[in-house]
Amino acid sequence: QSVLTQPPSASATPGQRVTIRCSGSGSNIGSNDVTWYQHVPGKAPRLLIYGNYKRPSGVPDRFFGSKSGTSASLAINGLQLDDEADYYCAAWDDNLNGPVFGGGTKLTV
Amino acid sequence: QVQLQESGPGLVKPSQTLSLLCSVSGDSISRDGLYWTWIRQRPGKGLEWIGSRYNVGTTYYAPSLRGRLSISHDASTNAFSLVLDSVTAADTAVYYCARGRAYYGSSGYPTTPPFDYWGQGILVTVSS
Repeated sequence: QSVLTQPPSASATPGQRVTIRCSGSGSNIGSNDVTWYQHVPGKAPRLLIYGNYKRPSGVPDRFFGSKSGTSASLAINGLQLDDEADYYCAAWDDNLNGPVFGGGTKLTV
Repeated sequence: QVQLQESGPGLVKPSQTLSLLCSVSGDSISRDGLYWTWIRQRPGKGLEWIGSRYNVGTTYYAPSLRGRLSISHDASTNAFSLVLDSVTAADTAVYYCARGRAYYGSSGYPTTPPFDYWGQGILVTVSS
């Protein structure tokens, strides 16, 4: 049972927009910034979003992060076939004194 | 370019000790403001933070593993390691090492460090 809650799966067709939601509590998302990772099985996870909405260099602006209260969302616009991957949210948890991850959302394009 | 590479045994017997090494290139393990981190993914499960070593001297461990886990660094080889005692089948996983950067949010307080560089991962199976 993950501390952060994500839907186990999502799907959309190429060119569409998909939104993945991540729910937490006051000790994690409510009081800390959210990061998002893209993980293609067999490869290293890739940082997509940090600081709730900031994109590292090289991440296209099709990926958009937001946060409100104890929930966060990752929106992917103009879906491409190679966006098919598992997506994880993460946030520092003040009670656990470490980062916690969501259970992951498998995106099918 | 920062690169991390995990190494260690692919098979460990139950009750024994798992030792993994993460070799780092392109950055210094001794540089301030970095979380040198281990994260694992058990079969069919999501990512799970195991522990981090911050600014060389401070360690953070997942509560579920505290008491069995140790993360240390070796500045001479620019690497950091994971030692997990008394392993069971539940410790079977792909283990990733990653670099996290200290990050301060709009409040000015430290918040979730982004893990911006990862190793490729190493599969460790606990079995007799």
